[in-house]
Amino acid sequence: EAGVAQSPRYKIIEKRQSVAFWCNPISGHATLYWYQQILGQGPKLLIQFQNNGVVDDSQLPKDRFSAERLKGVDSTLKIQPAKLEDSAVYLCASSRAANYGYTFGSGTRLTVV
Amino acid sequence: DAKTTQPTSMDCAEGRAANLPCNHSTISGNEYVYWYRQIHSQGPQYIIHGLKNNETNEMASLIITEDRKSSTLILPHATLRDTAVYYCIVLVGNQGGKLIFGQGTELSVKP
Repeated sequence: EAGVAQSPRYKIIEKRQSVAFWCNPISGHATLYWYQQILGQGPKLLIQFQNNGVVDDSQLPKDRFSAERLKGVDSTLKIQPAKLEDSAVYLCASSRAANYGYTFGSGTRLTVV
Repeated sequence: DAKTTQPTSMDCAEGRAANLPCNHSTISGNEYVYWYRQIHSQGPQYIIHGLKNNETNEMASLIITEDRKSSTLILPHATLRDTAVYYCIVLVGNQGGKLIFGQGTELSVKP
């Protein structure tokens, strides 16, 4: 089966600019996650979707980050305005259901200068 | 949420078994233990998971103690390609679950 697709692979922006990341999960996977991974740290969960509804966004900095999953398939994560500390790899993952293995995409590496 | 404790780093000789320990003393009865690994510049990769019984697949074996307070991931014949950060995670939640990553163990397989 095709994996989790993410784009772009790399992005460099100036602080205060906006940026969007796209994720297409594995077909049929109801649950979708966005993670932020700062260099040298483990991934940190930002938001979890179940179909097109948000299950958990408690760790999402909502003053600048937003995410949507229209039609319960692909998803976008947006940052506006970006800060230097947002430099990280943004990972998308999907899962068929609870207690099934999650599949991660390769991530988008964001550099804010 | 049950937390996990892993050593920061480990070394292993190529061809030998790599045994990666994990403590999860506050795990609940219905929580699973998952192992993922992350090779440099890639997304995390699923390895194995278990609830109570020991598990084995083509990648690794998972040994869970009887009290479920700790587990060990075993790579039977480590290769250089197994060099990665290994994460032990307890799966929480009952609606799709959510993986909460710690710092993981950086495994270096040496020739």
